[in-house]
Amino acid sequence: NAGVTQTPKFQVLKTGQSMTLQCAQDMNHNSMYWYRQDPGMGLRLIYYSASEGTTDKGEVPNGYNVSRLNKREFSLRLESAAPSQTSVYFCASSEGLAGAGDTQYFGPGTRLTVL
Amino acid sequence: AQKITQTQPGMFVQEKEAVTLDCTYDTSDPSYGLFWYKQPSSGEMIFLIYQGSYDQQNATEGRYSLNFQKARKSANLVISASQLGDSAMYFCAMRGAGAGSYQLTFGKGTKLSVIP
Repeated sequence: NAGVTQTPKFQVLKTGQSMTLQCAQDMNHNSMYWYRQDPGMGLRLIYYSASEGTTDKGEVPNGYNVSRLNKREFSLRLESAAPSQTSVYFCASSEGLAGAGDTQYFGPGTRLTVL
Repeated sequence: AQKITQTQPGMFVQEKEAVTLDCTYDTSDPSYGLFWYKQPSSGEMIFLIYQGSYDQQNATEGRYSLNFQKARKSANLVISASQLGDSAMYFCAMRGAGAGSYQLTFGKGTKLSVIP
């Protein structure tokens, strides 16, 4: 099992360009998440998908859109990139169990720089 | 709102010694979960251990144990017999158990350096 995979690993964009970050999981998980990690900080939730066909905003959704393409795949789109979106982006997935013990497993991350 | 505080930006430990990484939390949820993740220099986030707020015993996973003191709202990670490969950033995180409580709230992390 590959777990959670993300593409690309690195990306450099110019201000105003758009791009889509791809995420896939092979653990048959129901829930998927997108986080960003900025220097000196923990991760902050951008969007999540509790189950196939649903998406919801997290703590920092502005400037992003998401698509839950199917149970395996959850993409994050930047329509018009800004320097403030320079960050490391992590995708995660979990079984989607009720309660607090639903462990999230993370992909390797995408390091994005917006010039 | 939930909050995680990790007060140790950096820690050093001698190889083969034990080390405790501190984590305190604040939440109004009666039921919640606490997690620790490891982030090596390669960047990935690796799940280490989980403790539920109603669990009677402290969680253990191999060399990792969680010292959970509910009244003090602390969930410290203890690593026994440190190894060079334990050098990494360590993040404490929590989530609630209520409907819609999907977000993990993270602390700012502690950088652990293991000295040979």
